[in-house]
Amino acid sequence: SYELTQPPSVSVSPGQTARITCSGDALPKQYAYWYQQKPGQAPVLVIYKDSERPSGIPERFSGSSSGTTVTLTISGVQAEDEADYYCQSADSSGTLFGGGTKLTVL
Amino acid sequence: QVQLQESGPGLVKPSQTLSLTCTVSGGSISSGSYYWSWIRQPAGKGLEWIGRIYTSGSTNYNPSLKSRVTISVDTSKNQFSLKLSSVTAADTAVYYCARDRAAAGSYYGMDVWGQGTTVTVSS
Repeated sequence: SYELTQPPSVSVSPGQTARITCSGDALPKQYAYWYQQKPGQAPVLVIYKDSERPSGIPERFSGSSSGTTVTLTISGVQAEDEADYYCQSADSSGTLFGGGTKLTVL
Repeated sequence: QVQLQESGPGLVKPSQTLSLTCTVSGGSISSGSYYWSWIRQPAGKGLEWIGRIYTSGSTNYNPSLKSRVTISVDTSKNQFSLKLSSVTAADTAVYYCARDRAAAGSYYGMDVWGQGTTVTVSS
């Protein structure tokens, strides 16, 4: 069955760049979406259609796509960016989430 | 601004049916091009999509849950609902409702989420 694969964890120091990847065979044909989830809170959409940023999301969040891998990049990471991040793909039959990546800000 | 609020029993007995409702405020559930989704998250684990209903009433379900799930909409109450039958302890999770924005053949992601409600399956 189709899956989206994310690394379980990524660690960066404040001010550095964090890159979180998501791999899936359907990603060349489907857009990816990224959500940030802080403890005890609902997820928040931070990137849609691979690289578009919703209003209100800081410019340090960006997304890119290459083949079967999409990447969420957080430039100049801040302590408040520590959270779980989930990728998602969707088509006419439904939606799939990746397993999630815990971003730790050292 | 559209807001979503989940409601329903916090405790369900094994083999029974879990029933949750999501109330939409600040906008009409039947206007615009939106899917209305249910997602769940067991404690300490990732997000699992359960299913969605479109403004037209058409539904899509996670294949792994499809035999047990029904999602419906009540436009008169501006609500949509989830029913999950034959529950077991594995269905214990935080359940979220969310709005998926879709327009002109494009999908824009889940842009509005409820705060989530915890459902425990236990006797």
